[in-house]
Amino acid sequence: AQKITQTQPGMFVQEKEAVTLDCTYDTSDPSYGLFWYKQPSSGEMIFLIYQGSYDQQNATEGRYSLNFQKARKSANLVISASQLGDSAMYFCAMDAGNNRKLIWGLGTSLAVNP
Amino acid sequence: DADVTQTPRNRITKTGKRIMLECSQTKGHDRMYWYRQDPGLGLRLIYYSFDVKDINKGEISDGYSVSRQAQAKFSLSLESAIPNQTALYFCATSDLATDDQETQYFGPGTRLLVL
Repeated sequence: AQKITQTQPGMFVQEKEAVTLDCTYDTSDPSYGLFWYKQPSSGEMIFLIYQGSYDQQNATEGRYSLNFQKARKSANLVISASQLGDSAMYFCAMDAGNNRKLIWGLGTSLAVNP
Repeated sequence: DADVTQTPRNRITKTGKRIMLECSQTKGHDRMYWYRQDPGLGLRLIYYSFDVKDINKGEISDGYSVSRQAQAKFSLSLESAIPNQTALYFCATSDLATDDQETQYFGPGTRLLVL
């Protein structure tokens, strides 16, 4: 069965430090994609970063990077130099299978302390 | 202007009422989705549509119906609202053919309260 697991319900980090949010996935499909979204307290869902299963390098987007370890089936989000505005819920998602609908994790709440 | 819009943004209704949530997009995407979000349960897919003539049930379609009036419009109806349909509802769009990946772009959400 296809599944996304985010084991950290809540995380704290000091401003300007780096933080890693964990995501593990399960799929038997050889082709899949992994996504991270941010949901601030205002409620909107913001796409952050994408990693394809065949991508040779880890994806990066500004201060966001995805630590993709295929053998471990993990796709952790790394946020460098945390800012107060990074405080939000973060969701990991995967697309796989014929229809390639997204499968979502339950999210991790990140609080950045000043 | 936002690429994906939802109306209304907030709605309070009473049990048994029929309501419609509307979604419009200017991204030109073929695929559209309706999700609901409940605290602790993440995002759950209600319905999705891969083109105008295609409608598919998601994991929690009971009590809901949808209409894909055009490529740009996808509406969600609650035929007879009940309190456990109180949630945050999201519309999303994607275009696999263009992006070569299933990146979904979300509307701002509709907060629905059923009394």
